[in-house]
Amino acid sequence: DAKTTQPPSMDCAEGRAANLPCNHSTISGNEYVYWYRQIHSQGPQYIIHGLKNNETNEMASLIITEDRKSSTLILPHATLRDTAVYYCIGDNFNKFYFGSGTKLNVKP
Amino acid sequence: KAGVTQTPRYLIKTRGQQVTLSCSPISGHRSVSWYQQTPGQGLQFLFEYFSETQRNKGNFPGRFSGRQFSNSRSEMNVSTLELGDSALYLCASIDVELTEAFFGQGTRLTVV
Repeated sequence: DAKTTQPPSMDCAEGRAANLPCNHSTISGNEYVYWYRQIHSQGPQYIIHGLKNNETNEMASLIITEDRKSSTLILPHATLRDTAVYYCIGDNFNKFYFGSGTKLNVKP
Repeated sequence: KAGVTQTPRYLIKTRGQQVTLSCSPISGHRSVSWYQQTPGQGLQFLFEYFSETQRNKGNFPGRFSGRQFSNSRSEMNVSTLELGDSALYLCASIDVELTEAFFGQGTRLTVV
């Protein structure tokens, strides 16, 4: 299982892009990079995932480096409701290893 | 489409009792994973079931068990409850073809 390293907290101004970094240097070739967020101890909410290529959906963009050792989650226009703990996971989809995540604070 | 349904949402049990939690995955998803979340240990993988078979298991004692039925619904059971079992128990519904996993809202178990 890949372990990931994320900064414990980040601040972002409302309306600006939030760029959340993640290191997953031990990820293996068949393991995906997943991003989830969790608000107030609700169930983790799926954001996006990818294997090698950059991905974009209605919520966010995922940029994965060519060597797959790190990635960045981009929330293009952060709102107050994006305040949450964001988890980056480098793993197979059926048994995630969750780290401590990044607490993103979006400020007015 | 309907999401992942976990029941009950909240539960209070006494030490030594046992408890059964239920998870109904998204229609068409055949794999279910269970996780425990505590303030001290964070989110930890318990086990995963696919087509009624346990495929993966985390590092938890044998008091924690689970099963999956033919309709993909899953249950987990904790026997001889301890105070430390107080946690949020989360179930993930997995689309193995799309490699996507979606979590339910969890069951908050309090052991007194």
